[in-house]
Amino acid sequence: GNSVTQMQGQVTLSEEEFLFINCTYSTTGYPTLFWYVQYPGEGPQLLLKVTTANNKGSSRGFEATYDKGTTSFHLQKASVQESDSAVYYCVLGNSGTYQRFGTGTKLQVVP
Amino acid sequence: EAAVTQSPRNKVAVTGGKVTLSCNQTNNHNNMYWYRQDTGHGLRLIHYSYGAGSTEKGDIPDGYKASRPSQENFSLILELATPSQTSVYFCASGDGSWGDQNTLYFGAGTRLSVL
Repeated sequence: GNSVTQMQGQVTLSEEEFLFINCTYSTTGYPTLFWYVQYPGEGPQLLLKVTTANNKGSSRGFEATYDKGTTSFHLQKASVQESDSAVYYCVLGNSGTYQRFGTGTKLQVVP
Repeated sequence: EAAVTQSPRNKVAVTGGKVTLSCNQTNNHNNMYWYRQDTGHGLRLIHYSYGAGSTEKGDIPDGYKASRPSQENFSLILELATPSQTSVYFCASGDGSWGDQNTLYFGAGTRLSVL
């Protein structure tokens, strides 16, 4: 079946540190992989998506890459700010079925 | 401005009572979804819909019903609420046919407490 695993439940960083969040997935075919971000008191919103056609995506200083060989995808940012504090979800999308969310990584950035 | 609006934003219910959560979207999207969010589980899909009159089961449909009377409205119904259904519920609309195409647009959530 389709599933996604997000192991890092919480990450605490200081401002300007490097962020790296990793997810692994299980599916068949050619999935699209998404990252959603949820700020306190709001619903999740799309941060970026990566398809098999391009293997990379970027938005708002974040970069996502996708490795079909290891069935993993990750989100990174070179220098986090306090305003990046949020919950980040990796999401697996595939043709013929609905999207599956990971369990989320809560990022806390301290000044 | 296109949006997904949920009501109520907060709800306290009694065990055994009936609860209806409502969702309205102005995105004119065919697909709509109901998720619940719990610590350690992330977002889990309860029910979804492809359009008016259709409802489908997601990953955790037990104890929930859904209704899609129109393109704009999608409701989640708890006929006999239980304390295990205490959670934050999110409605979303999607702009594609399947999971590889969809961008999901979420409402702000409904916090439900069942006592």
